[in-house]
Amino acid sequence: DSGVTQTPKHLITATGQRVTLRCSPRSGDLSVYWYQQSLDQGLQFLIQYYNGEERAKGNILERFSAQQFPDLHSELNLSSLELGDSALYFCASSYGLAGGSNEQFFGPGTRLTVL
Amino acid sequence: QKEVEQDPGPLSVPEGAIVSLNCTYSNSAFQYFMWYRQYSRKGPELLMYTYSSGNKEDGRFTAQVDKSSKYISLFIRDSQPSDSATYLCATKGAISGGYNKLIFGAGTRLAVHP
Repeated sequence: DSGVTQTPKHLITATGQRVTLRCSPRSGDLSVYWYQQSLDQGLQFLIQYYNGEERAKGNILERFSAQQFPDLHSELNLSSLELGDSALYFCASSYGLAGGSNEQFFGPGTRLTVL
Repeated sequence: QKEVEQDPGPLSVPEGAIVSLNCTYSNSAFQYFMWYRQYSRKGPELLMYTYSSGNKEDGRFTAQVDKSSKYISLFIRDSQPSDSATYLCATKGAISGGYNKLIFGAGTRLAVHP
């Protein structure tokens, strides 16, 4: 158990809908990262937050947004869902903002299925 | 060309075999190299972490980095059925402005049969 929690475990929804995925980082960690894992693209970085502020962006679609709250939990919002958005969404956390040994610990993921 | 290339396998070996998993990367700026293990329907779990070139050993696992050839390896000695999982290599470059993005290979699926 990495100490990172994600809810829900599974989510089934229809195209065009909007969903919110939630992540609680390990105790004491200030950075939260979101990744998407699909069969064709593998594990891809979406976005990083540190202590409430957005710090790095990857290939995140404009239909997707995220935020980190004062209690450090984070939410990933996915809107106007398409079939291709079906994937595993992972949250990871680390203590620091950056730095060489800033290891990232992954949560169990949320499996999103868009029908 | 992908920044990190990894053969997806699958790789099937008998119990007790030595397993060699490999990745290549394209950007010489990458300095930090990691191996994650991912069991089916679980999140990736950090196995090994190395900086720059060299070897690092942890129990039955050895990670090697050869920056001159941009090649990273993970060796598993005395493989066990419980090692059956997908192994993902990952890297990240020099840190600046808080950038801490991990770049993953496709993952190699390993099956160790009794």
